Amino acid sequence: NAGVMQNPRHLVRRRGQEARLRCSPMKGHSHVYWYRQLPEEGLKFMVYLQKENIIDESGMPKERFSAEFPKEGPSILRIQQVVRGDSAAYFCASSDRGSNQPQHFGDGTRLSIL
Amino acid sequence: GDSVTQMEGPVTLSEEAFLTINCTYTATGYPSLFWYVQYPGEGLQLLLKATKADDKGSNKGFEATYRKETTSFHLEKGSVQVSDSAVYFCALRGAYGGSQGNLIFGKGTKLSVKP
Repeated sequence: NAGVMQNPRHLVRRRGQEARLRCSPMKGHSHVYWYRQLPEEGLKFMVYLQKENIIDESGMPKERFSAEFPKEGPSILRIQQVVRGDSAAYFCASSDRGSNQPQHFGDGTRLSIL
Repeated sequence: GDSVTQMEGPVTLSEEAFLTINCTYTATGYPSLFWYVQYPGEGLQLLLKATKADDKGSNKGFEATYRKETTSFHLEKGSVQVSDSAVYFCALRGAYGGSQGNLIFGKGTKLSVKP
């Protein structure tokens, strides 16, 4: 009865390195959303994916950020050449069947950039 | 665009006090409205929801009513407990397809309940 699983829980990177965040949705869920939470802020939508498709990436920064949700395996949020401003908590949520269904959140990955 | 505004915290209450956290929204049409709770170091948990005007969502003693006329979805609880200490987020999901179902969140309200 696993919920949304994110790993790692904490990730430390130096400026210029790459960060890879993973999200395994709840069993049976085929819709994945990524959100970013800056300190003392609410969550901001980044990208919405279904299996092998990006449905809405209107919240993704234009450079350095990418996301995928392959046919097999977890969804990956990748940040290339990280900068200090990328330090945040990144949350993944999944839902069943469509955008009208409730979203279930993982515990997040806390990314720290040195 | 769609947006959510909720009262700023932190809010500090004594155990058994009455809680209100205000939330208002701006949206086209009839969005769905949600309250999420975040405990320290954890992800967000859905607390309650309402999908149409005058709906009342309720869970664990918390309630919120979808008020179209005042575009509000205030969270209330009659008697808070220490275990309710957390950050509470009001959120909406747009009524129309452009947002494709992503949630729009308020900034969160931190609640601390003292014994």
